[in-house]
Amino acid sequence: GAVVSQHPSWVICKSGTSVKIECRSLDFQATTMFWYRQFPKQSLMLMATSNEGSKATYEQGVEKDKFLINHASLTLSTLTVTSAHPEDSSFYICSASPSTSGSYNEQFFGPGTRLTVL
Amino acid sequence: GQSLEQPSEVTAVEGAIVQINCTYQTSGFYGLSWYQQHDGGAPTFLSYNALDGLEETGRFSSFLSRSDSYGYLLLQELQMKDSASYFCAVLAYSGAGSYQLTFGKGTKLSVIP
Repeated sequence: GAVVSQHPSWVICKSGTSVKIECRSLDFQATTMFWYRQFPKQSLMLMATSNEGSKATYEQGVEKDKFLINHASLTLSTLTVTSAHPEDSSFYICSASPSTSGSYNEQFFGPGTRLTVL
Repeated sequence: GQSLEQPSEVTAVEGAIVQINCTYQTSGFYGLSWYQQHDGGAPTFLSYNALDGLEETGRFSSFLSRSDSYGYLLLQELQMKDSASYFCAVLAYSGAGSYQLTFGKGTKLSVIP
């Protein structure tokens, strides 16, 4: 149980295009989902916290108009990188916290999406 | 804000024991987690400590001292497949009923024959 999927696994796009990444909790409901970004050989950096039915909370330095997050249901959150540029190339990872979990340490990570912007 | 310190690299011999330390500075501390990440993969959860002491799960153990803002991950009977990056992560209260994980920079463990 507690499986999180991401789609696509990897994407290559031209500069200026927009890319949508989906994060799904397959066998549990997730009130809260998190989006992280990881550059090569670096740590995971939290980009935003996504709560179902409300606006995402972005970390300092993350442009909310560039990284659009929608959490329309308890099993799906999407991250759209708008007008992507080469510097947005990174590994994007989502995690989900079960709604019924009384312990907030339970974050289950998706397999990640590798974005390459040419 | 949160900050975590852990060694950047560790090398150990197959079958040996290795300890990866993590010190942190944080507000709203709730607990300390450890994650393993192989190259190109996503992090996988290893352990979580909310209280002082040692938690053991098979070959892996994790320790926390809240008063010292310090924890460590202990890996025993090292296997080649344990070569990966290990991240400590602080779970902290971020306000409005929300909690966040903040990751350290990771320790790259290389297990050699």
